[in-house]
Amino acid sequence: SAVISQKPSRDICQRGTSLTIQCQVDSQVTMMFWYRQQPGQSLTLIATANQGSEATYESGFVIDKFPISRPNLTFSTLTVSNMSPEDSSIYLCSVSGLVAFFGQGTRLTVV
Amino acid sequence: QQQVKQSPQSLIVQKGGISIINCAYENTAFDYFPWYQQFPGKGPALLIAIRPDVSEKKEGRFTISFNKSAKQFSLHIMDSQPGDSATYFCAEGGLTFGKGTHLIIQP
Repeated sequence: SAVISQKPSRDICQRGTSLTIQCQVDSQVTMMFWYRQQPGQSLTLIATANQGSEATYESGFVIDKFPISRPNLTFSTLTVSNMSPEDSSIYLCSVSGLVAFFGQGTRLTVV
Repeated sequence: QQQVKQSPQSLIVQKGGISIINCAYENTAFDYFPWYQQFPGKGPALLIAIRPDVSEKKEGRFTISFNKSAKQFSLHIMDSQPGDSATYFCAEGGLTFGKGTHLIIQP
């Protein structure tokens, strides 16, 4: 199992600004994953973050909008850039082996 | 492309009843088929998982039934309680998730 600490847990941001979400894992992991979850919806994978290399983005997500850092094997950040109300969502980080473990999520509201 | 089809999308069960959620999968390469439970404001948490060489796994009131030939597995919640009200996701391994089932247990 893995314990994942994610912060902030929630934030309200002005449109046009950026928010950086942090994710700390209690053990070293090769890959970390970032998801977006619209209210009442399933999980949509944004990107996979590998330590020492560029993140791999899923279709519909681009690095300029969602830059990711992975400075070491226990930490990652996701930035939501130039935010608009459409970015209001829950953002989750995750680690995965046979099964997945998630942080508690960041509830982002853009006004 | 959705590779795990979950049903129903929502479910209302009376307290004490049995809640049943179903999933159909396509990829047979995974080692585990888990179910996750998510409460509002929280991230999904692993609830129970089964290996494909096992037909049933029970943990307390929660049971997974696995049908390898039909490529289906289901979650049964016995004696459902209001505290079980949550969203449940099935998955193939750790990366492919169903769309979720919103379960409401009425007191």
